[in-house]
Order: sequence, then C-alpha cells, then structure tokens
Amino acid sequence: GAVVSQHPSRVICKSGTSVKIECRSLDFQATTMFWYRQFPKQSLMLMATSNEGSKATYEQGVEKDKFLINHASLTLSTLTVTSAHPEDSSFYICSARRVGLSDTEAFFGQGTRLTVV
Amino acid sequence: AQSVAQPEDQVNVAEGNPLTVKCTYSVSGNPYLFWYVQYPNRGLQFLLKYITGDNLVKGSYGFEAEFNKSQTSFHLKKPSALVSDSALYFCAVRDTGGGNKLTFGTGTQLKVEL
Repeated sequence: GAVVSQHPSRVICKSGTSVKIECRSLDFQATTMFWYRQFPKQSLMLMATSNEGSKATYEQGVEKDKFLINHASLTLSTLTVTSAHPEDSSFYICSARRVGLSDTEAFFGQGTRLTVV
Repeated sequence: AQSVAQPEDQVNVAEGNPLTVKCTYSVSGNPYLFWYVQYPNRGLQFLLKYITGDNLVKGSYGFEAEFNKSQTSFHLKKPSALVSDSALYFCAVRDTGGGNKLTFGTGTQLKVEL
C-alpha cells in the first residue's frame, strides 16, 4: 500500500517562532497533497491543496502568509506555521494522491500534534 | 457544494454484535465515497471506497458499506464488532464532477464493549 510519512509527530514550540511540518510520500509520486487541521473531537478542515511545482490553493479563511506551503517535489510537501500562537495549537494532517490514478483514495500521514506555549 | 452528514456522534455496541455507522451525502454529480478510521493521535487509515459498480463494497478488517443512491447513503457495517474496532470513523465524499477536494463528515466515535 501507499505510505505517507509526516514529521514530526509531535512538536512544542514557543509563541512567535515558526514550525515546519513535512509530508512525504514514501513509495509513490504525489501530484497533489492536502493539508488539514483537526480540532479536538471535530472533523478535518481542509486548509489548502498543494500541487507540485505551483502555488498552493488555500481554503477560505486560511491565511496563506501564516501557513506557508511548499510542494517542491513529487514526494514532499511542507507546511510552515509562521509566528505561531497558542491558538495555532492543533492536530495537522497531510494526505497525498498518487499520480495517474483519477479515482484513487487519498493516503494520510500520521498527523502532527502542534502545541504552542 | 458537496457535504457529508454523520448523524451520530457516538455509537455503542457490544462485542460480537453487528455494527452500523451512518453516513449520508450530497453532491451535484456522481459521488466517490470513502470511509476512514482514526485512532487517537494518529492520521486516517483508509477502510473502503465506492467508485462505481456493485453497491456493496467490502473493505479492510471485515468492514463493508452499501451505496444507496436513492437514499444518498453510504452506511458502514460490520457483522461482528470487536473491541479493537473502537475508534473514530469518518465518511468522506468527492464529487466526480470536478475537483480533488474530499469533504469529511464530523466523525462518529465507535465504542465496542465486552
């Protein structure tokens, strides 16, 4: 099966600093990766869609200057939370879809628990 | 716009009994439908999907789901629940009419007790 690895799984940072989260497709190429945010006991909220080699498409209400997304290769997308604040504390999950398969399910990373103190 | 409804926040079932987790959807075109399971502090694991063909879809860990177009439903089922099935279950839909976006339901917490 397709494996998506997300790193780190857990991070604690100080308010005002930036944090980078990596999402890698380990055994397949992903033209499209998705970044979600999940609040406790709530569903996944799509933040942005990133396509390799182009700018990410952000969902309404998501600050693109705060949540920087880079999809530099077919196997790696990164989400950088800039100038983090306690309200950015959340569970962030990435997913990836394989190249060439139009009906494939998305494969999810294991998530990153971000705590801003 | 596409949407998914999971009407039950929590489902409790005794081990060995059948379980059903409900999901209804709304899309403008034909749907791709998915079920995912999430364990605490983990990402989502794929269980099964409906793309086309047979309305009854079989997936991982003995789970199955039935696509019902007239009722716009895609309920998740398992004939005999296990305690290890206790987790958070998400239904998701993607509109085949365009776009990559997966829309998730609010999730249903399944609790299987001895």
